[in-house]
Amino acid sequence: GAGVSQSPRYKVAKRGQDVALRCDPISGHVSLFWYQQALGQGPEFLTYFQNEAQLDKSGLPSDRFFAERPEGSVSTLKIQRTQQEDSAVYLCASRRQGGGTDTQYFGPGTRLTVL
Amino acid sequence: AQSVTQLGSHVSVSEGALVLLRCNYSSSVPPYLFWYVQYPNQGLQLLLKYTSAATLVKGINGFEAEFKKSETSFHLTKPSAHMSDAAEYFCAVIFATNKLIFGTGTLLAVQP
Repeated sequence: GAGVSQSPRYKVAKRGQDVALRCDPISGHVSLFWYQQALGQGPEFLTYFQNEAQLDKSGLPSDRFFAERPEGSVSTLKIQRTQQEDSAVYLCASRRQGGGTDTQYFGPGTRLTVL
Repeated sequence: AQSVTQLGSHVSVSEGALVLLRCNYSSSVPPYLFWYVQYPNQGLQLLLKYTSAATLVKGINGFEAEFKKSETSFHLTKPSAHMSDAAEYFCAVIFATNKLIFGTGTLLAVQP
């Protein structure tokens, strides 16, 4: 079946612009995660949804970052007033179950470059 | 704090040689451990995971890893490297929360 998809794959924004990144999880997957991967680093957790409920947003770096999953399927990560330090690859992952150690399946990521 | 350490940001091996990528974790409780591989411009793909069953875990593409509690390690090995193994490898853990905590990654180069 289809995997996790993300769009756009590449995004260039001018400093101060707002951006929206989309994630389409594997159909039927309950859990959805967002991670940020800076150049040369491992991914870092941003936020976690179980269905439409955002259960953990402890990794969001500032109040400029906002994520939603209104119908428990597609999710959008929005970054307001982008800054150069927001440049990174944003990875989305989905998991079949609501909890536990079930595998997280990752999308290809969105590479955001803020000029 | 919970953390994962990957020793060696770059590892180079010859084709056919043993691959050994190191991962150590810090935790006061047994963790769940994962190895992911990332090819250029692609997402992360799960190689294998340890969830407190057998300590020797076999994964895809001939990789395996052994959980050693006494050494707090979960090193990744493959007996014979192939050119297609060239990629970046990430060790990760889940503790009490749902989120994966990743190491900084090891870039594996395979020389012909």
